[in-house]
Amino acid sequence: DVQMTQSPSYLAASPGESVSISCKASKSISNYLAWYQQKPGEAYKLLIYSGSTLQSGTPSRFSGSGSGTDFTLTIRSLEPEDFGLYYCQQYYEKPLTFGSGTKLEIK
Amino acid sequence: QVKLLQSGAALVKPGASVKMSCKASGYTFTDYWVSWVKQSHGKSLEWIGEIYPNSGATNFNEKFKGKATLTVDKSTSTAYMELSRLTSEDSAIYYCTRSRNWFAYWGQGTLVTVSS
Repeated sequence: DVQMTQSPSYLAASPGESVSISCKASKSISNYLAWYQQKPGEAYKLLIYSGSTLQSGTPSRFSGSGSGTDFTLTIRSLEPEDFGLYYCQQYYEKPLTFGSGTKLEIK
Repeated sequence: QVKLLQSGAALVKPGASVKMSCKASGYTFTDYWVSWVKQSHGKSLEWIGEIYPNSGATNFNEKFKGKATLTVDKSTSTAYMELSRLTSEDSAIYYCTRSRNWFAYWGQGTLVTVSS
């Protein structure tokens, strides 16, 4: 199985700051990577797929980059509503696998 | 709009089985795979498997073969997952999602608690 190593596990930042979350795959997955946000009481939200393509409705302050084994989710100019859990997921091969998650707290 | 409405929480005894549902609306049910994902408390997400409603074809994570059974009822646009021989390790929130690669639509989750 492709192991997805996500870091950091916890992140705290103030509104207006920029943050980055890393996701590393145990083998090359090309750009077959998605990013999700989970907020308490809400359904999971797809943010980005194909490594860098924003899902419809995803604010432009979110961006994804990387290919191969190293990927990054960047949130520029944080908004208070960006708190929550973030996960990466590879779909290069089955079984589909997810990162361990990053909890983003807004100071 | 696309909606996936899952059945309510279940409390089940060890060794028993549980069957949960995922009712789809807002799209042609038979056109898209339905995947199931497990989220254990304090842990990350695990892909269980997927089913194609049009044909009933399934694919599973090896870890869940023999544990999970996926079925659909095309007449009601509902997907089902049955988990058998439950243990405490099966206590988790289970999500249904649409599609088979990245998941743009998720159900609200079904909490399964295994306890005597």
